[in-house]
Amino acid sequence: QKEVEQDPGPLSVPEGAIVSLNCTYSNSAFQYFMWYRQYSRKGPELLMYTYSSGNKEDGRFTAQVDKSSKYISLFIRDSQPSDSATYLCAFTGANSKLTFGKGITLSVRP
Amino acid sequence: NAGVMQNPRHLVRRRGQEARLRCSPMKGHSHVYWYRQLPEEGLKFMVYLQKENIIDESGMPKERFSAEFPKEGPSILRIQQVVRGDSAAYFCASSPGGVGLGYTFGSGTRLTVV
Repeated sequence: QKEVEQDPGPLSVPEGAIVSLNCTYSNSAFQYFMWYRQYSRKGPELLMYTYSSGNKEDGRFTAQVDKSSKYISLFIRDSQPSDSATYLCAFTGANSKLTFGKGITLSVRP
Repeated sequence: NAGVMQNPRHLVRRRGQEARLRCSPMKGHSHVYWYRQLPEEGLKFMVYLQKENIIDESGMPKERFSAEFPKEGPSILRIQQVVRGDSAAYFCASSPGGVGLGYTFGSGTRLTVV
């Protein structure tokens, strides 16, 4: 079983749609759950992080964690063309290493 | 604050040559991490360094790859005798502390081996 699995893409949605991105993980030592956004030819940037089960909102973005099911999601409301990017889930435990999903490329059509 | 600076942005090497990738962390950050992104793969951890120390190199290939973060100057990722399979984007990140949060990534060096 892979340590992290991320829903494959690519994903194309119309502007204004609600987007749901998902990852599962198997390592119980993971303590922090993150979503990174990576624009083409750029480095990843941290979008959101959380460390507990439940929902965390930041503007149009909601991060959801279910530790019992080892499942995390990122929801994007009212998606915009500027949200077009690759989204990576990432996990870390007590050490400094980040373990990433493969990423999903999102395209929001005007 | 210029952020994490990586150079060169693009590097082309012939098989068998050496590749040197440089990373200057953000001001005030003393922890540096290198990740590799292969085509169709996610980012994979390679090595974690502090000034003059390698803290965790569990993700580094056993041969041809080395990394350093000297007291003065940028961190260097060195790949000797490059092969086509080394073609990838190499990202450096820095943080003020040794935890998985607070990373800032650079824009990467894209290595192409021909």
